[in-house]
Amino acid sequence: AQSVTQLDSQVPVFEEAPVELRCNYSSSVSVYLFWYVQYPNQGLQLLLKYLSGSTLVKGINGFEAEFNKSQTSFHLRKPSVHISDTAEYFCAVSDTGRRALTFGSGTRLQVQP
Amino acid sequence: DGGITQSPKYLFRKEGQNVTLSCEQNLNHDAMYWYRQDPGQGLRLIYYSQIVNDFQKGDIAEGYSVSREKKESFPLTVTSAQKNPTAFYLCASSPGQGNEKLFFGSGTQLSVL
Repeated sequence: AQSVTQLDSQVPVFEEAPVELRCNYSSSVSVYLFWYVQYPNQGLQLLLKYLSGSTLVKGINGFEAEFNKSQTSFHLRKPSVHISDTAEYFCAVSDTGRRALTFGSGTRLQVQP
Repeated sequence: DGGITQSPKYLFRKEGQNVTLSCEQNLNHDAMYWYRQDPGQGLRLIYYSQIVNDFQKGDIAEGYSVSREKKESFPLTVTSAQKNPTAFYLCASSPGQGNEKLFFGSGTQLSVL
């Protein structure tokens, strides 16, 4: 069975500061990894995904993530955040067998002026 | 516009009552999913369907039922057996290969009267 752990439930940060949201996964098979963002009272939107190839993945809105197989991690980073980045961020994993995503518990990013 | 439509946006259930949440997509996607979102717990998979007339239980299927009679529709029934139904319910779809992004609806908030 696969699982996803997001260690930080909330991350407060000042505007224009860098941020890292942590994600660790466990799976016995090859996986695909995703980061989604959810704005209040809305569905989720894809930020970026890792399928194969380069371990550094660039997504929308200036976000990027690095896949580290030895540490089973897929941390999300942004060098300079904006107020508009305030949202909840979910890491997710999909194994090639089940074809359905398993989500982490989410990290609420709060960007302060 | 192509997308996923969930209705209603808000739904109230009385004790012992079954309620049905609607999910329709016009993206011609094979796969559809239902997730339940509770504060601090992220998204948990209830049911998913990879093709018409077929569906599988997710991680928390007890107290829920689904049908997939048409490609574009995947309604979720919350039965009276679900003792804690208050949550935000999200429907999603994808082409169905497991490595592509999910398209999410805007969700239904279900509350118990």
